[in-house]
Amino acid sequence: AQTVTQSQPEMSVQEAETVTLSCTYDTSESDYYLFWYKQPPSRQMILVIRQEAYKQQNATENRFSVNFQKAAKSFSLKISDSQLGDAAMYFCAYRSGRHSNYQLIWGAGTKLIIKP
Amino acid sequence: GAVVSQHPSRVICKSGTSVKIECRSLDFQATTMFWYRQFPKQSLMLMATSNEGSKATYEQGVEKDKFLINHASLTLSTLTVTSAHPEDSSFYICSARGLGQAPYEQYFGPGTRLTVT
Repeated sequence: AQTVTQSQPEMSVQEAETVTLSCTYDTSESDYYLFWYKQPPSRQMILVIRQEAYKQQNATENRFSVNFQKAAKSFSLKISDSQLGDAAMYFCAYRSGRHSNYQLIWGAGTKLIIKP
Repeated sequence: GAVVSQHPSRVICKSGTSVKIECRSLDFQATTMFWYRQFPKQSLMLMATSNEGSKATYEQGVEKDKFLINHASLTLSTLTVTSAHPEDSSFYICSARGLGQAPYEQYFGPGTRLTVT
C-alpha cells in the first residue's frame, strides 16, 4: 500500500523569505501523481501544485515549486517570497496513475506559520 | 475551475438525531464523489467513495449503517449521519471528479462542520 509522510508538523518562516516543506512517499507503482494542497483557516482545500511522475521537469506555479526526486521518493515544496496569506496547513498527497483508482493518499500535514 | 458546494456549512444537532449533508457539483457532472472526515489539526480521512448510480464503497472501519451515502444523480451526493453522537462531531469534506476530466483532477467542497450536543 502507498504511504505519504510529512515529517514536519510545523514550520515557520519570516515574511518574504523562502521555506521548504518536506514530503516522502512509498509506492511500487511507476505511474502516479503527487500534489500539494493548502488548507487555510477557512478549511477549503486548495490545490497548490501538481506533479506527474512521468515528467522529469519539476512543476512550478508562480512562487511555488517542487523538488521531485523520483528515485528517492521525495517531493518537497518550496515557497519563495513567503507572504502572510501563505499561512495554512499544507498537505502532500499521492494518487495512483491507474484509471480505476482516483483516491488520494494524504500526509499528516505541515502547519506553516509566517512571521511578519 | 469546477465548483463543488456543500450544504449546510455548519450544523448543530442533538444526540440521537440524524443529519444530512449535501455535496453538489455545480458546473460539471460528478461521476465519482469522495467523503472525508477531518478532526482538528489532523489530515483528511477517506470515509467512502461513491460512483453515480452505484452503492458507495466504504473504507475499513467506517460504519455503513451509520454513515449513509447516496449518489443518486450526477450532481448530488448526500451523507446522512444516523443516530448522531458527540463523537461524530467533526469536519466533513466532499470532493468530486467528472467524466472527461483529466485523471489528476478532483475538486473539493468547502466542508461542513458537524457538532453533536
